[in-house]
Amino acid sequence: QLQLQESGPGLVKPSETLSLTCTVSGGSITDSRYHWDWIRQSPGKGLEWLGNIYYTGGTYYNPSLQSRVTMSLDTSKNQFSLMLTSVTAADTAVYYCAKGGPTHPAQFDSWGQGILVTVSS
Amino acid sequence: EIVLTQSPGTLSLSPGERVTLSCRASQSVTNNYFAWYQQRPGQAPRLLIYDVSSRASGIPDRFSGSGSGTDFTLTISRLEPEDFAVYYCQQYSDSWTFGQGTKVEIK
Repeated sequence: QLQLQESGPGLVKPSETLSLTCTVSGGSITDSRYHWDWIRQSPGKGLEWLGNIYYTGGTYYNPSLQSRVTMSLDTSKNQFSLMLTSVTAADTAVYYCAKGGPTHPAQFDSWGQGILVTVSS
Repeated sequence: EIVLTQSPGTLSLSPGERVTLSCRASQSVTNNYFAWYQQRPGQAPRLLIYDVSSRASGIPDRFSGSGSGTDFTLTISRLEPEDFAVYYCQQYSDSWTFGQGTKVEIK
């Protein structure tokens, strides 16, 4: 059974870079059937899709965040990562990693438990 | 960007009741690229329905989805205790956006 687990700092200072990692078990991030996504949830903005990455390294980002988001893969560790630059309090949210499928990359059928990231000095 | 508006914001119902949740899109959703998720307190969202009416793996048949264009519906035929949760709609026709959620609470 596929499992995803987010990890990273729970507190980031304003203007700095938020970095999170998702570790996948029970499946491979090099599986060509799937995309790997980051989604966040905040009281103010609700659920917001940030972007995804494919096993080739190809990415697709939310246009509203594209200038600040970078995603990458580490196939040796079966992990994928998120970097969000120049964070502000508006980036405070629970961040989820997820798998896209079954018939479209935007159908998020497996999720991590989520990690709360607070932006504060 | 397609904006999704869910109604009502909260529904107070009893177990065993039938419930219909609505989601309206600001512009037409193409290719049936529409989904519903359930989120219980303290948990991640769970995919219920994709492509408007297809149930995700392991989802009971009391959950059904319908709609087209700009108006979509999630129906739960008989509420079970575990169905009291927040439900979100999502479109993946033009970028990928979610509605603000409808909370189904116990009356």
